[in-house]
Amino acid sequence: TQLLEQSPQFLSIQEGENLTVYCNSSSVFSSLQWYRQEPGEGPVLLVTVVTGGEVKKLKRLTFQFGDARKDSSLHITAAQPGDTGLYLCAGAPGNSGGSNYKLTFGKGTLLTVNP
Amino acid sequence: DTGVSQNPRHKITKRGQNVTFRCDPISEHNRLYWYRQTLGQGPEFLTYFQNEAQLEKSRLLSDRFSAERPKGSFSTLEIQRTEQGDSAMYLCASRTSINTGELFFGEGSRLTVL
Repeated sequence: TQLLEQSPQFLSIQEGENLTVYCNSSSVFSSLQWYRQEPGEGPVLLVTVVTGGEVKKLKRLTFQFGDARKDSSLHITAAQPGDTGLYLCAGAPGNSGGSNYKLTFGKGTLLTVNP
Repeated sequence: DTGVSQNPRHKITKRGQNVTFRCDPISEHNRLYWYRQTLGQGPEFLTYFQNEAQLEKSRLLSDRFSAERPKGSFSTLEIQRTEQGDSAMYLCASRTSINTGELFFGEGSRLTVL
């Protein structure tokens, strides 16, 4: 069973601060995705990273996939109250393809950005 | 709205009753997935379909659970003889068959078993 561990589990910060959340595994993933989920809603995809060492930027969010494709990080610059939510990482299994997309999710990081 | 649609959004039932959830995926998506999410956890994979074929089932899917996708379009997830441990959010997601195709989730169906 492939497990993804996310840290921290909870994070409460003030508006304008920077933060990084981590997603770690002992398993290799063919790709890794980050989702944001709001209470009572389904997860919404933020980004997919596929190549080891890949860095993707989405406005104030920077995503990195580890060289060995076992870990990832999400960095948010100048956090805003609208960034509040549950951030989930999810990995697609295997060293290639992962076409069945049976994603393994971490437990998530619950971020609260206070105004 | 052409997203993934799930209903009912909320269901409260007594232990021992049967419940059924429906998922209408995005129309051109041939792959459909069911996940379960409990409080404080990430979603856990239950099963997935490619068109009408159910290709994989998790060990989490006990014999009280059954999922169908009869015409390769909408899907149903039925839970028979519900137990309090079945209380969770049941999420449906769909995508195309492209390897890196985005997985689109519905808003979920929240089940509470009393």
